[in-house]
Amino acid sequence: DAKTTQPPSMDCAEGRAANLPCNHSTISGNEYVYWYRQIHSQGPQYIIHGLKNNETNEMASLIITEDRKSSTLILPHATLRDTAVYYCIVRVAGGGKLIFGQGTELSVKP
Amino acid sequence: DAGVIQSPRHEVTEMGQEVTLRCKPISGHNSLFWYRQTMMRGLELLIYFNNNVPIDDSGMPEDRFSAKMPNASFSTLKIQPSEPRDSAVYFCASSFTGTGSSYEQYFGPGTRLTVT
Repeated sequence: DAKTTQPPSMDCAEGRAANLPCNHSTISGNEYVYWYRQIHSQGPQYIIHGLKNNETNEMASLIITEDRKSSTLILPHATLRDTAVYYCIVRVAGGGKLIFGQGTELSVKP
Repeated sequence: DAGVIQSPRHEVTEMGQEVTLRCKPISGHNSLFWYRQTMMRGLELLIYFNNNVPIDDSGMPEDRFSAKMPNASFSTLKIQPSEPRDSAVYFCASSFTGTGSSYEQYFGPGTRLTVT
C-alpha cells in the first residue's frame, strides 16, 4: 500500500470549511483513497473513499487531483464535534487491513 | 444494528495473568480485524479474519497473543501471560468483503487494557 503524508495538525473556525490535505505520490492505479477519523477515546470512523473521481456524502467531500498524487478532504461546515484525528489511507479495494499513519489532528475552535 | 460490540470496555490485570478480549462483529459482515493503539506506535493491525479464517497475523507481537474466530458472530483475542507493555486500547472492526462492497471497516468502542 502506498505511503501517505499529512500535516500533523490544523485549526479551523467553527462554521468554516475544513480542508485536510493528503499526499500519496506513489499511489497505484488500483488503489483507493480512504479517509477515517478518530474522535478522542472512540474507535475510528469511516468517512469517505474514492478512486479518481470526486466524491461527496453526508459527512464530507473528497477531491482527488487528476494525477491522483494528492487529495483533500473537505468538511463544509465544521463543528466542534468534528475535532478529531483524521487519517488518509491508500489501499487496494479488497486489501483487508488498514495501515494508519499519524494522521492530522484537527481542532475546530469557536 | 448495534454496531461492533466489544467486551470488556476496561480491563485492569496484573502481570502474568491471562486476558481475554471479546468482539461481536456486525451481522452480515464476513471480515473481522483486531487493532491495537498506543501512544508510541499508533494504530496497528494485529490480525484479521475473512470468513472466520485468519488471513494475516503478521502483526501479532509474539506467541503470548492468540486470536480465534469460532463462528461468524464472535471472536476473541487472548494474551497469556500479560505484560505491562501490552497496556493499550484494543479495537475490533468488521467489514463486508465481497461483490459490491466498498470495504469500509466499522470499529467497536475498544477495550482499554491496563497491565500492572
